[in-house]
Amino acid sequence: SAVISQKPSRDICQRGTSLTIQCQVDSQVTMMFWYRQQPGQSLTLIATANQGSEATYESGFVIDKFPISRPNLTFSTLTVSNMSPEDSSIYLCSVVTGGPEDTQYFGPGTRLTVL
Amino acid sequence: EDQVTQSPEALRLQEGESSSLNCSYTVSGLRGLFWYRQDPGKGPEFLFTLYSAGEEKEKERLKATLTKKESFLHITAPKPEDSATYLCAVRSGSGGSNYKLTFGKGTLLTVNP
Repeated sequence: SAVISQKPSRDICQRGTSLTIQCQVDSQVTMMFWYRQQPGQSLTLIATANQGSEATYESGFVIDKFPISRPNLTFSTLTVSNMSPEDSSIYLCSVVTGGPEDTQYFGPGTRLTVL
Repeated sequence: EDQVTQSPEALRLQEGESSSLNCSYTVSGLRGLFWYRQDPGKGPEFLFTLYSAGEEKEKERLKATLTKKESFLHITAPKPEDSATYLCAVRSGSGGSNYKLTFGKGTLLTVNP
């Protein structure tokens, strides 16, 4: 398994500002992802954080809005840029630890409220 | 496009009253069906992965089963601490990230003492 921590755990931000969320894993992992969980909606994949290269974004998500960094195999950041109230959501870091079953684990999430 | 539908949206049980949650899916090449438990204010906690029809896995009072079109999470003699939202997700072989999970909206389970 993997122990995942995220900072901050929650934040309240003003419209037009940006917030960077950090994800730290207690061991090296092959794959890291960022998901969004909006109220009443399914968990949705934003992007795959690739170590040493640009992130791979899912349809509907763009790098200018959600820039992602992954400098090494245990750490990643997600920035939510130029925020609007529609960005209010829970943002979750997720990892795949490898092995025969490729189990996917999730962090505790960052609850973001945009006013 | 992969699709996952969970039912019911909410389920209220008495302690000891067994029941099942349903997860129906449509995928192009299933590479795993995942069950998670999510408590309020926390991230999803991994429960099971199933890979092929007929497969079953158990953990304490929970048992997950898989067919070609759906999965069931059976809860035997539930306790109040089993109260949570249960999420189902699929990983497929279709385009995009090979590890992308497509989630259902979840079933909110409440077990009353």
